[in-house]
Amino acid sequence: DTAVSQTPKYLVTQMGNDKSIKCEQNLGHDTMYWYKQDSKKFLKIMFSYNNKELIINETVPNRFSPKSPDKAHLNLHINSLELGDSAVYFCASSTRYRGQDEKLFFGSGTQLSVL
Amino acid sequence: QQQVKQSPQSLIVQKGGISIINCAYENTAFDYFPWYQQFPGKGPALLIAIRPDVSEKKEGRFTISFNKSAKQFSLHIMDSQPGDSATYFCAATDRGSTLGRLYFGRGTQLTVWP
Repeated sequence: DTAVSQTPKYLVTQMGNDKSIKCEQNLGHDTMYWYKQDSKKFLKIMFSYNNKELIINETVPNRFSPKSPDKAHLNLHINSLELGDSAVYFCASSTRYRGQDEKLFFGSGTQLSVL
Repeated sequence: QQQVKQSPQSLIVQKGGISIINCAYENTAFDYFPWYQQFPGKGPALLIAIRPDVSEKKEGRFTISFNKSAKQFSLHIMDSQPGDSATYFCAATDRGSTLGRLYFGRGTQLTVWP
């Protein structure tokens, strides 16, 4: 069983379109994240949710909107896609308790290509 | 501002050699330092981690060395193998923070030649 699964694996779309990426975790974790990895492999945190509550919202354009219907799911919707949005997007989850070691479990990523 | 600085950006090592990746941080509140390993087409996965109350942690061929006074830590891969070829990320976090945020280095692309 895949612990953190995200779909689709690949997403090719035109500029200006709206697209969504879905993420589900079956680990029972309370915290979920979205990361963006650019072509130079730099991992940049975008959002984190804890029990459906937004905790971290980095400097991300308003075109990106996360939605957490329940603590096992965190979807990412992107409006008006731009060329610069092309990247690999990773969903991750963790059991986050203050004072404890944090272990992130990542999905396999969604390669987004905006043409 | 990069909270964790990682070097080198890329590293080529002969099979059987030692791979060394270095990281440095400024925030003295950081108290947990994991390393993540990422293979092509996969997400990063936790490899090994250390807390600042010890200076070294070893798991198989992988060792973290930690220097609290210098605010530096490094990953050593002994007897490097072609299967170790991957991108390695160091990271740091303040476990007492309510944000629960890991600060990643920019990654090191390791290539081990057979």
